[in-house]
Amino acid sequence: DTGVSQDPRHKITKRGQNVTFRCDPISEHNRLYWYRQTLGQGPEFLTYFQNEAQLEKSRLLSDRFSAERPKGSFSTLEIQRTEQGDSAMYLCASSPRQGVIYEQYFGPGTRLTVT
Amino acid sequence: AQTVTQSQPEMSVQEAETVTLSCTYDTSESDYYLFWYKQPPSRQMILVIRQEAYKQQNATENRFSVNFQKAAKSFSLKISDSQLGDAAMYFCAYRYAYSGGGADGLTFGKGTHLIIQP
Repeated sequence: DTGVSQDPRHKITKRGQNVTFRCDPISEHNRLYWYRQTLGQGPEFLTYFQNEAQLEKSRLLSDRFSAERPKGSFSTLEIQRTEQGDSAMYLCASSPRQGVIYEQYFGPGTRLTVT
Repeated sequence: AQTVTQSQPEMSVQEAETVTLSCTYDTSESDYYLFWYKQPPSRQMILVIRQEAYKQQNATENRFSVNFQKAAKSFSLKISDSQLGDAAMYFCAYRYAYSGGGADGLTFGKGTHLIIQP
């Protein structure tokens, strides 16, 4: 088990473009979370999946953001019409089906820069 | 809504010494979990220690221990025998014990930058 992986690790895009990030959770983890972390701040919760169902969405997740988790495996986070304020580190985390289910394991993040 | 406050943006400690990082939180709930996460430079966040609110005994993991004061809503992290590898951002985080209603995500503080002086 190699842990939570995210791709790409870095993304530079121009304002107005669409971007998509991918997260692969630890295998057999049925819960998957997306967070956003801006410079000098702690991560902020964006959304949460249990299997393929998106169960929670933060008010931070504007209409330009959409997340999916088809088949309950990997997840994608898409940002449409990017703005400079979207520049941040986007973190993915997963937690297991059994045992310490509230413990979240984080990936390395995708750093987005919008120019 | 719950909030987590870390009042020390930066702390510095000599190698082999002990350092305590502070965290306070605000919640109206009685069942919750508290965590300390470590984020080394350009590396992913890892869990250092966790505490269940219903447990009175303070959690300990090797050189890391917490002082959990439920009534005061305080959750400090003590690192004993500090090592160079402990240098990182440390985040305190809160999670409500039950699912639903926006409770599943972690609420983080702003972090404390820990510097280890050799």
